[in-house]
Amino acid sequence: RKEVEQDPGPFNVPEGATVAFNCTYSNSASQSFFWYRQDCRKEPKLLMSVYSSGNEDGRFTAQLNRASQYISLLIRDSKLSDSATYLCVVNGRDSSYKLIFGSGTRLLVRP
Amino acid sequence: GAVVSQHPSRVICKSGTSVKIECRSLDFQATTMFWYRQFPKQSLMLMATSNEGSKATYEQGVEKDKFLINHASLTLSTLTVTSAHPEDSSFYICSARPYTGLADTQYFGPGTRLTVL
Repeated sequence: RKEVEQDPGPFNVPEGATVAFNCTYSNSASQSFFWYRQDCRKEPKLLMSVYSSGNEDGRFTAQLNRASQYISLLIRDSKLSDSATYLCVVNGRDSSYKLIFGSGTRLLVRP
Repeated sequence: GAVVSQHPSRVICKSGTSVKIECRSLDFQATTMFWYRQFPKQSLMLMATSNEGSKATYEQGVEKDKFLINHASLTLSTLTVTSAHPEDSSFYICSARPYTGLADTQYFGPGTRLTVL
């Protein structure tokens, strides 16, 4: 079983749509959770950290369910520029600062 | 924000040659640098963790004699792919963890695309 699992997509949505991505992780001891965004042939960029109480940054909302080992990302009012691959990331099993990446969920926002 | 550079951004080489990739933290000191590899349509896979002044720690399945890592200063780590073969063709990305700041903060370099013919 992969340590971080995501639906690869692609999710193909119209502009203005709301879209949600889910992610599950296997290490119950993980303490740090993130969503990264990766554009084609580029490095990943931190989108937001995910906190236990849930957090929001503009159109983006992240939620964490520790009991189910489940992380979600909600994007409201999708823009064309949101088209990218979204990576779910947790800290590693044997180190708090090693990051384990999911394989990503691809989002395509169409006009 | 913190900036990490990588050089070269792209390299094409013949099978059997060695390729060196540099990772630099431009405006901060990095206690730890990480090297990742990403194959097409796959996730980033951590190859090794590099600490300044000490030997790198390699992940399971990564050959330390093939992927030589040197972290000579708090702002520079290098990855050398020795005797590269076509199966080593990949996107190599480094990240750097600041000397100060949150333990789980990492800043990524722009990546190096290696093609071995």
